[in-house]
Amino acid sequence: EIVLTQSPATLSLSPGERATLSCGASHSVGSCLAWYQQKPGQAPRLLIYDASNRATGIPARFSGSGSGTDFTLTISGLDSEDFAVYYCQQRRSWPLTFGGGTKVVMK
Amino acid sequence: QVTLKESGPALVRPTQTLTLTCSFSGFSLATNGMRVSWIRQPPGKALEWLARIDYDDDKFYRASLRPRLTISKDTSKNQVVLTMTKMDPEDTATYFCARSVRALSYFDSWGQGTLVTVSS
Repeated sequence: EIVLTQSPATLSLSPGERATLSCGASHSVGSCLAWYQQKPGQAPRLLIYDASNRATGIPARFSGSGSGTDFTLTISGLDSEDFAVYYCQQRRSWPLTFGGGTKVVMK
Repeated sequence: QVTLKESGPALVRPTQTLTLTCSFSGFSLATNGMRVSWIRQPPGKALEWLARIDYDDDKFYRASLRPRLTISKDTSKNQVVLTMTKMDPEDTATYFCARSVRALSYFDSWGQGTLVTVSS
């Protein structure tokens, strides 16, 4: 099973600041990685797929990069609606796995 | 517009069998490439993928839970059913169903989730 490790666990930032979230894989997943956003009481929402492609309707301030075992989600300028938990997920091998999440909180 | 909605019991006793139904609209599981998965999330914890069923009735399961899981579909009703046997308090979680499409292969639409508590 591929283990995804996200860091930091919590990120405390102010609106307008840049957020950088990391996801590390225990084995290479190539570019087969996605990022999701989850707000309290809601289902996750797909943000980025195949490491760097924005999903339909996702604002340009969200970007993804990386390949192999190291990935980054960047939010270029935090909007108030961006404070949430972010998960990475790989589809390279079974079982499909998610990271433990990074919570972005308002400073 | 794609929508999915989970339904099932809110409370299950230990050792009982859980049956959850995912009812969806806006797509058909008879369409080439369509897939529906079940994913769960214990309170305050991360997401865990459980099982997937494809348009051609291929089925995939989380190996560690395979003996307890069964996934099936009723294409005419636009429903996917997950059964999980021998429920344990550690199975307490919000259970989501989610769609993926072969071309994209990630979860692009999710249900709202249903909280299942396992307690005597």
